[in-house]
Amino acid sequence: SSELTQDPAVSVALGQTVRITCQRDSVRSYFASWYQQKPGQAPVVVIHGRNNRPSGIPDRFSASSSGNTASLTITGAQAEDEADYYCCSRDSSGDHWVFGGGTKLTVL
Amino acid sequence: QVQLVESGGGVVQPGRSLRLSCATSGFIFSSYALHWVRQAPGKGLEWVAFISYDGRNEFYVDSVKGRFTISRDISKKTLFLQMNSLRVEDTAVYFCAREDLSYGDHFDFWGQGTLVTVSS
Repeated sequence: SSELTQDPAVSVALGQTVRITCQRDSVRSYFASWYQQKPGQAPVVVIHGRNNRPSGIPDRFSASSSGNTASLTITGAQAEDEADYYCCSRDSSGDHWVFGGGTKLTVL
Repeated sequence: QVQLVESGGGVVQPGRSLRLSCATSGFIFSSYALHWVRQAPGKGLEWVAFISYDGRNEFYVDSVKGRFTISRDISKKTLFLQMNSLRVEDTAVYFCAREDLSYGDHFDFWGQGTLVTVSS
């Protein structure tokens, strides 16, 4: 099975830009999706596919990919962006899904 | 609007069984694959199981294979997770989630979760 590796914690100053990365153990892989989870709440998808934002997700959220690393970038982080962020992808077999360990984002 | 509402969680002893339900509304039930995802207390998300839109295909994370069974009832628009031989490590909040295939597959709607506690 595949693994997705995320940094456990990242911090960013209010209004600055932060990148959250998701390293995969295989270059050949499916698109990653990204989820925001606040305490006591269900996850919410913020990015899916190459770089698609669902309705209602601010355009300060964007995604990119290089090699075996997928990234979520928040340009101009806001206080309400403080949350846990998870990447997710199918594994190489296509019949299992894997979440990264999650990154706790602190907005200073 | 799309809604998924889990139920059936509770406290159960190791080795016993529990059945979770996820009642859905607001979309064409038979058109979407559905998943169960769990989150142990203070831990990250873990994908648990998948069932295809037509119920013909099921996939499981290795740790629950042979113990958990995912199913769906089109007449009730409800997703189920039958959990047998429960272990302490199955303790978690269980979320049901809808899979959308547009622009890369992803989980576009989630339920609020139901807590399963396995303890003697």
